Amino acid sequence: DAKTTQPPSMDCAEGRAANLPCNHSTISGNEYVYWYRQIHSQGPQYIIHGLKNNETNEMASLIITEDRKSSTLILPHATLRDTAVYYCIVRGGNRDDKIIFGKGTRLHILP
Amino acid sequence: NAGVTQTPKFQVLKTGQSMTLQCAQDMNHEYMSWYRQDPGMGLRLIHYSVGAGITDQGEVPNGYNVSRSTTEDFPLRLLSAAPSQTSVYFCASSTPYAGELFFGEGSRLTVL
Repeated sequence: DAKTTQPPSMDCAEGRAANLPCNHSTISGNEYVYWYRQIHSQGPQYIIHGLKNNETNEMASLIITEDRKSSTLILPHATLRDTAVYYCIVRGGNRDDKIIFGKGTRLHILP
Repeated sequence: NAGVTQTPKFQVLKTGQSMTLQCAQDMNHEYMSWYRQDPGMGLRLIHYSVGAGITDQGEVPNGYNVSRSTTEDFPLRLLSAAPSQTSVYFCASSTPYAGELFFGEGSRLTVL
């Protein structure tokens, strides 16, 4: 089973910040949180990852709660091109870990 | 860099036929994996490998075989195709322990 839970879908107005939540209450101390997105039927694309500190790159920001049991991916100024399915996964620690994806969140950007 | 290359991109099979989906990566990644994605669904792990000569089962391994004779290649074999195996298949690779997954473009398989 996936180690993460996400809402199945969300809407966001174009130009506004999109905040996508993820719950990972059983995360281990050496596991990272990764976010990917999948546009149409393309292969998923890496967005960002973090361990316990908040992270930012050119695509997004990642906010991880202090207890590490949940996180939020922030797309600061959503555009129509951000319409996609977003997956949150946890990974790390063991060399032979299975990397399990959940069903993700389908983000609709509204014009 | 080519990254992760999957072939073929499209394939139609008849029930009972066998075939191999090819996956190659040029990043010297130890970790490689296969996922399937059914319409409107998330990714489900079929098999994965943490290095040459080492493979293990994922969430949905039945009906599929894998082998890992080299670091670069991780082929997925369908032994006797069934309509339930109609899906889009993605291969991915990464460094071990942690590291982002790099995905191929996918192979769309239809079994009649």
